[in-house]
Amino acid sequence: DPKIIQKPKYLVAVTGSEKILICEQYLGHNAMYWYRQSAKKPLEFMFSYSYQKLMDNQTASSRFQPQSSKKNHLDLQITALKPDDSATYFCASSGGGAGTGQLYFGEGSKLTVL
Amino acid sequence: QEKVQQSPESLIVPEGAMVSLNCSFSDSASQSIWWYQQHPGKGPKALISIFSNGNKKEGRLTVYLNRASLHVSLHIKDSQPSDSAVYLCAVSMATGGNNKLTFGQGTVLSVIP
Repeated sequence: DPKIIQKPKYLVAVTGSEKILICEQYLGHNAMYWYRQSAKKPLEFMFSYSYQKLMDNQTASSRFQPQSSKKNHLDLQITALKPDDSATYFCASSGGGAGTGQLYFGEGSKLTVL
Repeated sequence: QEKVQQSPESLIVPEGAMVSLNCSFSDSASQSIWWYQQHPGKGPKALISIFSNGNKKEGRLTVYLNRASLHVSLHIKDSQPSDSAVYLCAVSMATGGNNKLTFGQGTVLSVIP
Protein backbone atom coordinates (compact mmCIF):
# COMPACT_ATOMS: atom_id res chain seq x y z
CA ASP A 1 0.00 0.00 0.00
CA PRO A 2 1.32 3.44 -0.82
CA LYS A 3 2.44 5.29 2.28
CA ILE A 4 2.35 8.71 0.65
CA ILE A 5 -0.88 9.46 -1.16
CA GLN A 6 -1.04 12.24 -3.71
CA LYS A 7 -4.24 13.39 -5.36
CA PRO A 8 -5.06 13.83 -8.14
CA LYS A 9 -2.59 11.79 -10.17
CA TYR A 10 -3.32 13.78 -13.32
CA LEU A 11 -4.91 17.19 -13.76
CA VAL A 12 -5.42 19.64 -16.59
CA ALA A 13 -5.97 23.33 -15.95
CA VAL A 14 -6.41 26.45 -18.02
CA THR A 15 -4.08 29.43 -17.78
CA GLY A 16 -5.08 31.75 -14.96
CA SER A 17 -6.97 29.17 -12.92
CA GLU A 18 -6.15 27.74 -9.49
CA LYS A 19 -5.50 24.17 -8.38
CA ILE A 20 -4.76 22.39 -5.12
CA LEU A 21 -2.56 19.31 -4.96
CA ILE A 22 -3.22 17.00 -2.02
CA CYS A 23 -0.62 15.03 -0.06
CA GLU A 24 -1.06 12.72 2.91
CA GLN A 25 1.67 10.57 4.42
CA TYR A 26 1.21 7.58 6.69
CA LEU A 27 4.82 6.98 7.64
CA GLY A 28 4.64 8.91 10.91
CA HIS A 29 7.19 11.41 9.66
CA ASN A 30 7.52 14.94 10.98
CA ALA A 31 9.03 16.53 7.90
CA MET A 32 7.29 16.93 4.56
CA TYR A 33 8.41 18.41 1.26
CA TRP A 34 7.30 19.42 -2.21
CA TYR A 35 9.51 18.84 -5.25
CA ARG A 36 8.83 19.62 -8.90
CA GLN A 37 9.99 17.68 -11.96
CA SER A 38 9.57 19.23 -15.38
CA ALA A 39 10.72 18.03 -18.76
CA LYS A 40 13.51 20.59 -18.95
CA LYS A 41 14.87 20.58 -15.40
CA PRO A 42 16.05 18.10 -12.79
CA LEU A 43 13.84 17.30 -9.84
CA GLU A 44 13.93 20.51 -7.83
CA PHE A 45 13.19 21.36 -4.22
CA MET A 46 10.29 23.71 -3.56
CA PHE A 47 9.31 23.69 0.13
CA SER A 48 10.04 21.87 3.35
CA TYR A 49 7.91 21.70 6.49
CA SER A 50 8.79 20.32 9.89
CA TYR A 51 6.10 19.85 12.55
CA GLN A 52 3.76 21.84 10.30
CA LYS A 53 6.07 24.84 10.18
CA LEU A 54 7.73 26.15 7.02
CA MET A 55 11.46 25.46 7.15
CA ASP A 56 12.63 26.43 3.68
CA ASN A 57 11.12 27.95 0.56
CA GLN A 58 13.03 27.85 -2.72
CA THR A 59 10.08 28.89 -4.84
CA ALA A 60 10.40 32.46 -6.05
CA SER A 61 6.75 32.90 -6.83
CA SER A 62 4.08 33.57 -4.20
CA ARG A 63 1.62 31.79 -6.50
CA PHE A 64 2.75 28.57 -4.83
CA GLN A 65 1.40 28.23 -1.28
CA PRO A 66 1.81 25.09 0.83
CA GLN A 67 -0.90 24.38 3.39
CA SER A 68 -0.53 22.04 6.36
CA SER A 69 -3.84 21.42 8.14
CA LYS A 70 -2.63 18.28 9.93
CA LYS A 71 0.74 16.85 10.88
CA ASN A 72 0.61 14.28 8.05
CA HIS A 73 -0.85 16.62 5.41
CA LEU A 74 0.93 19.07 3.14
CA ASP A 75 -1.15 20.40 0.28
CA LEU A 76 0.08 22.75 -2.43
CA GLN A 77 -2.11 25.54 -3.73
CA ILE A 78 -1.12 27.03 -7.08
CA THR A 79 -2.86 30.20 -8.24
CA ALA A 80 -2.84 32.11 -11.53
CA LEU A 81 -1.55 29.05 -13.36
CA LYS A 82 0.84 29.46 -16.28
CA PRO A 83 1.87 26.95 -18.96
CA ASP A 84 5.39 26.93 -17.43
CA ASP A 85 3.86 25.46 -14.27
CA SER A 86 3.26 22.24 -16.20
CA ALA A 87 5.24 19.57 -14.36
CA THR A 88 4.93 16.59 -12.09
CA TYR A 89 4.78 17.66 -8.46
CA PHE A 90 6.10 15.20 -5.90
CA CYS A 91 5.36 15.19 -2.22
CA ALA A 92 7.95 13.60 0.07
CA SER A 93 8.56 13.00 3.74
CA SER A 94 11.43 12.10 6.03
CA GLY A 95 11.61 10.90 9.57
CA GLY A 96 15.15 11.59 10.61
CA GLY A 97 16.56 14.54 12.46
CA ALA A 98 18.21 17.50 10.81
CA GLY A 99 20.01 16.32 7.71
CA THR A 100 19.33 12.68 8.29
CA GLY A 101 17.08 10.08 6.85
CA GLN A 102 16.08 9.30 3.34
CA LEU A 103 13.24 11.03 1.56
CA TYR A 104 10.21 8.92 0.71
CA PHE A 105 8.33 10.17 -2.36
CA GLY A 106 4.75 9.85 -3.46
CA GLU A 107 3.89 8.92 -7.03
CA GLY A 108 3.35 12.51 -8.06
CA SER A 109 0.61 14.72 -9.46
CA LYS A 110 1.10 15.53 -13.13
CA LEU A 111 -0.19 19.01 -13.92
CA THR A 112 -0.75 20.25 -17.46
CA VAL A 113 -1.61 23.92 -17.95
CA LEU A 114 -3.15 24.84 -21.29
CA GLN B 1 24.11 26.93 -5.07
CA GLU B 2 24.88 23.24 -5.25
CA LYS B 3 25.17 21.80 -8.76
CA VAL B 4 24.94 18.11 -9.54
CA GLN B 5 26.01 16.70 -12.91
CA GLN B 6 25.47 13.10 -13.97
CA SER B 7 26.98 11.05 -16.75
CA PRO B 8 26.25 9.38 -19.03
CA GLU B 9 22.82 10.71 -19.98
CA SER B 10 21.75 7.25 -21.06
CA LEU B 11 23.16 3.76 -21.08
CA ILE B 12 22.14 0.51 -22.75
CA VAL B 13 23.68 -2.71 -21.46
CA PRO B 14 23.00 -6.46 -21.86
CA GLU B 15 21.58 -8.39 -18.94
CA GLY B 16 24.31 -9.46 -16.53
CA ALA B 17 26.62 -6.54 -17.31
CA MET B 18 28.24 -4.30 -14.70
CA VAL B 19 26.77 -0.79 -14.80
CA SER B 20 28.73 2.30 -13.76
CA LEU B 21 27.04 5.66 -13.22
CA ASN B 22 28.85 8.89 -12.40
CA CYS B 23 27.96 12.02 -10.50
CA SER B 24 29.87 15.23 -9.79
CA PHE B 25 28.85 17.83 -7.26
CA SER B 26 30.05 21.33 -6.55
CA ASP B 27 29.97 21.86 -2.79
CA SER B 28 32.50 20.04 -0.61
CA ALA B 29 30.37 20.91 2.44
CA SER B 30 27.59 18.67 1.23
CA GLN B 31 26.33 16.04 3.62
CA SER B 32 25.23 12.66 2.33
CA ILE B 33 25.11 11.67 -1.30
CA TRP B 34 22.08 9.63 -2.31
CA TRP B 35 21.20 7.52 -5.32
CA TYR B 36 17.54 7.21 -6.23
CA GLN B 37 15.82 4.99 -8.80
CA GLN B 38 12.77 6.23 -10.69
CA HIS B 39 10.54 4.10 -12.89
CA PRO B 40 8.19 5.76 -15.40
CA GLY B 41 5.15 7.29 -13.74
CA LYS B 42 6.51 6.65 -10.25
CA GLY B 43 8.20 8.68 -7.57
CA PRO B 44 11.94 8.33 -6.88
CA LYS B 45 12.93 5.53 -4.52
CA ALA B 46 16.09 5.70 -2.43
CA LEU B 47 18.64 2.98 -3.19
CA ILE B 48 21.78 3.76 -1.24
CA SER B 49 23.59 6.66 0.42
CA ILE B 50 27.13 7.48 1.45
CA PHE B 51 28.61 10.11 3.72
CA SER B 52 32.26 9.24 4.27
CA ASN B 53 35.04 8.92 1.71
CA GLY B 54 35.44 5.41 0.44
CA ASN B 55 32.95 2.82 -0.63
CA LYS B 56 29.78 1.19 0.61
CA LYS B 57 28.23 -2.03 -0.62
CA GLU B 58 24.63 -3.17 -0.36
CA GLY B 59 23.66 -6.28 -2.29
CA ARG B 60 24.40 -5.72 -5.98
CA LEU B 61 25.06 -2.01 -5.42
CA THR B 62 28.39 -0.38 -4.59
CA VAL B 63 28.87 3.36 -4.22
CA TYR B 64 32.23 5.16 -4.17
CA LEU B 65 32.73 8.68 -2.83
CA ASN B 66 35.77 10.90 -3.31
CA ARG B 67 35.16 14.23 -1.58
CA ALA B 68 38.47 15.66 -2.76
CA SER B 69 37.43 15.31 -6.40
CA LEU B 70 33.73 15.95 -5.63
CA HIS B 71 32.80 12.73 -7.36
CA VAL B 72 30.59 9.78 -6.55
CA SER B 73 29.82 6.69 -8.60
CA LEU B 74 27.26 3.92 -8.41
CA HIS B 75 28.01 0.43 -9.68
CA ILE B 76 25.35 -2.18 -10.27
CA LYS B 77 26.60 -5.74 -10.50
CA ASP B 78 24.85 -8.39 -12.60
CA SER B 79 22.29 -5.97 -14.01
CA GLN B 80 18.72 -7.19 -14.58
CA PRO B 81 15.97 -5.95 -16.93
CA SER B 82 14.10 -4.81 -13.81
CA ASP B 83 16.98 -2.39 -13.16
CA SER B 84 15.89 -0.41 -16.22
CA ALA B 85 14.96 3.01 -14.87
CA VAL B 86 16.25 6.56 -14.39
CA TYR B 87 18.96 6.84 -11.76
CA LEU B 88 19.17 10.13 -9.89
CA CYS B 89 22.14 11.35 -7.89
CA ALA B 90 21.18 13.68 -5.04
CA VAL B 91 23.26 15.73 -2.65
CA SER B 92 21.96 16.51 0.80
CA MET B 93 22.57 19.99 2.16
CA ALA B 94 21.24 19.86 5.66
CA THR B 95 20.81 23.31 7.13
CA GLY B 96 18.67 24.43 10.02
CA GLY B 97 16.85 21.15 10.44
CA ASN B 98 15.93 20.98 6.81
CA ASN B 99 16.96 17.95 4.77
CA LYS B 100 17.04 19.42 1.27
CA LEU B 101 18.22 17.40 -1.71
CA THR B 102 19.68 18.78 -4.93
CA PHE B 103 19.24 16.33 -7.79
CA GLY B 104 21.12 15.72 -10.99
CA GLN B 105 19.34 15.37 -14.30
CA GLY B 106 19.51 11.58 -14.17
CA THR B 107 20.90 8.68 -16.20
CA VAL B 108 18.46 6.54 -18.17
CA LEU B 109 19.48 2.89 -17.88
CA SER B 110 18.14 0.21 -20.19
CA VAL B 111 19.08 -3.42 -19.50
CA ILE B 112 18.38 -5.62 -22.50
CA PRO B 113 17.46 -9.28 -21.87
